[in-house]
Amino acid sequence: GAGVSQSPSNKVTEKGKDVELRCDPISGHTALYWYRQSLGQGLEFLIYFQGNSAPDKSGLPSDRFSAERTGGSVSTLTIQRTQQEDSAVYLCASSLRERAAGSNEQFFGPGTRLTVL
Amino acid sequence: QKEVEQNSGPLSVPEGAIASLNCTYSDRGSQSFFWYRQYSGKSPELIMFIYSNGDKEDGRFTAQLNKASQYVSLLIRDSQPSDSATYLCAVRGGYNKLIFGAGTRLAVHP
Repeated sequence: GAGVSQSPSNKVTEKGKDVELRCDPISGHTALYWYRQSLGQGLEFLIYFQGNSAPDKSGLPSDRFSAERTGGSVSTLTIQRTQQEDSAVYLCASSLRERAAGSNEQFFGPGTRLTVL
Repeated sequence: QKEVEQNSGPLSVPEGAIASLNCTYSDRGSQSFFWYRQYSGKSPELIMFIYSNGDKEDGRFTAQLNKASQYVSLLIRDSQPSDSATYLCAVRGGYNKLIFGAGTRLAVHP
């Protein structure tokens, strides 16, 4: 079946503009994550959705960042009033329902490369 | 102190040698540990996970976990040029998020 898909693959925007990034998880995966990877850095957790539970937003760097997940499937990450430091690759991942000591693999999408000029 | 620390490298090994990648973590209560491989310009892919002390082998890969010393390592036997990539160590923080290290870049030269 299809893997995690993300769109757009590349986004160039001007400072101060709003952007929306989309993630379509693997069908049947109830857990969805957003990460950010700056050049040469590891992945930084942003937000986690699990089914109909309240999302874990603890990684969002500022109130300019928000995300929603409609119908338990597609998710949109919105960045308002973009800044140059928001430039990074934004990665989405999905997995089956997490377990406490589990090993549910997170499958990553190809990412959206965001460049803020 | 970062939650998950890795030497950024590059770690350069000759083809056929053993590559040893190390990772330390700060949260003693961490339960699950993961190694992801990321080729340049690509998204991470899971290589191995481990949650019990000791060694876990899968083909040419062996993960080693020592919870008392709070480190986890990945050994790659018979390294190939195709193993050249960045290896990300990740620790599960609670039920949900993975906390990643910055990654170690491995270069296997012929």
